[in-house]
Amino acid sequence: EIVLTQSPGTLSLSPGERATLSCRASQSVSSYLAWYQQKPGQAPRLLIYGASSRATGIPDRFSGSGSGTDFTLTISRLEPEDFAVYYCQQYDSSPPYTFGQGTNLEIK
Amino acid sequence: EGQLVESGGGLVQPGGSLRLSCAASGFTFSSHAMNWVRQAPGKGLEWVSAITGSGGFTYYADSVKGRFTISRDNSKNTLYLQVNSLRAEDTAVYYCAKVAVGPSVGRDYFHYWGQGTLVTVSS
Repeated sequence: EIVLTQSPGTLSLSPGERATLSCRASQSVSSYLAWYQQKPGQAPRLLIYGASSRATGIPDRFSGSGSGTDFTLTISRLEPEDFAVYYCQQYDSSPPYTFGQGTNLEIK
Repeated sequence: EGQLVESGGGLVQPGGSLRLSCAASGFTFSSHAMNWVRQAPGKGLEWVSAITGSGGFTYYADSVKGRFTISRDNSKNTLYLQVNSLRAEDTAVYYCAKVAVGPSVGRDYFHYWGQGTLVTVSS
């Protein structure tokens, strides 16, 4: 089973700042990596698939990069609605699909 | 884009059973594999089970194998999860999730999700 490790666990930033979230896989997943955003009491929402493709309706301040084992989600200028928990997920060696433990992006 | 609505959760004693349902609308249900993903209170996401578009192939996480059964009724556009021999550690919100591309289970991500149904296992 592929293990995904996200860092940092918590990221404290202010609106307007740039956020950089990391996801590392225990073995290569090529570009079969997705990112999801989850707000309290809500279901996860797809942001990025294929490591770098934005899902429909996702603002262009969200971008994904990486391949193999190291991936990054970048939010260029944080808006108040971007503060949430972010999960990465691999779908290369699947099933089982596996998720990272999440990064909590909180307001500083 | 479609909609997924889960139901069937509730409070159940250890060892008990429930059947969770996920009603789908707005897309061709039989053309997409479907999944169940759960989230324990305050914890991260855990994939539970998947089923192909035809229902012919099913897959399970080791943590639920032999206790949970995924199925679908394409005539009713509904996905099911029969959960038996429940344990305290099965307490979670259970989400159904539609894959993006097609009917096979494999290299496909979770396009969108229902709002979830809460299963609480406690005496």
